[in-house]
Amino acid sequence: DVKVTQSSRYLVKRTGEKVFLECVQDMDHENMFWYRQDPGLGLRLIYFSYDVKMKEKGDIPEGYSVSREKKERFSLILESASTNQTSMYLCASSSERGWDPNNEQFFGPGTRLTVL
Amino acid sequence: AQSVTQLGSHVSVSEGALVLLRCNYSSSVPPYLFWYVQYPNQGLQLLLKYTSAATLVKGINGFEAEFKKSETSFHLTKPSAHMSDAAEYFCAASNSGYALNFGKGTSLLVTP
Repeated sequence: DVKVTQSSRYLVKRTGEKVFLECVQDMDHENMFWYRQDPGLGLRLIYFSYDVKMKEKGDIPEGYSVSREKKERFSLILESASTNQTSMYLCASSSERGWDPNNEQFFGPGTRLTVL
Repeated sequence: AQSVTQLGSHVSVSEGALVLLRCNYSSSVPPYLFWYVQYPNQGLQLLLKYTSAATLVKGINGFEAEFKKSETSFHLTKPSAHMSDAAEYFCAASNSGYALNFGKGTSLLVTP
């Protein structure tokens, strides 16, 4: 089974702190994604990566950056956390280079981040 | 970009009753469509997907969805609700590219 793990289930940080959210997948997937989930807004794509060291902005990249130094690991970075970044963050991965309609995304359990 | 609308942020059904969760997409080109489920404190899990092979798609846990191009819809149904079906359900779509566009989600409550 594909497994996507996220470094923390719950995280509390202070305004202005630099925050790292880590995601690791164990199935050699090419593509990795970071989403933000807020009540009533569904999932919104922050960034995705289709290869090591490659990244693309999603719908809401402002205030975030990402890093993918190794294929299995995709990190989301909040350079200076703000209270409006309090949210649930979900990481996902999918296989195959390029896009395939059968390309299911596999999700991690999520990290609930609170910024005080 | 493809957009997805889920009608009803909350749906309540009795155990044993029909489940109907609505999803409409906006596109002149039929997209690829997915339904995901999120149980409390968990990530999303794929229920089923439409990729043009058949208009009626069967998924896991007794769920199915029918693609209707004329109505631009992909509603999710289950004949008989079970208490364990209580969860949040997301419809998602993509025409091309890597990422999915998700609806805002529908929270399903199942009452005894």
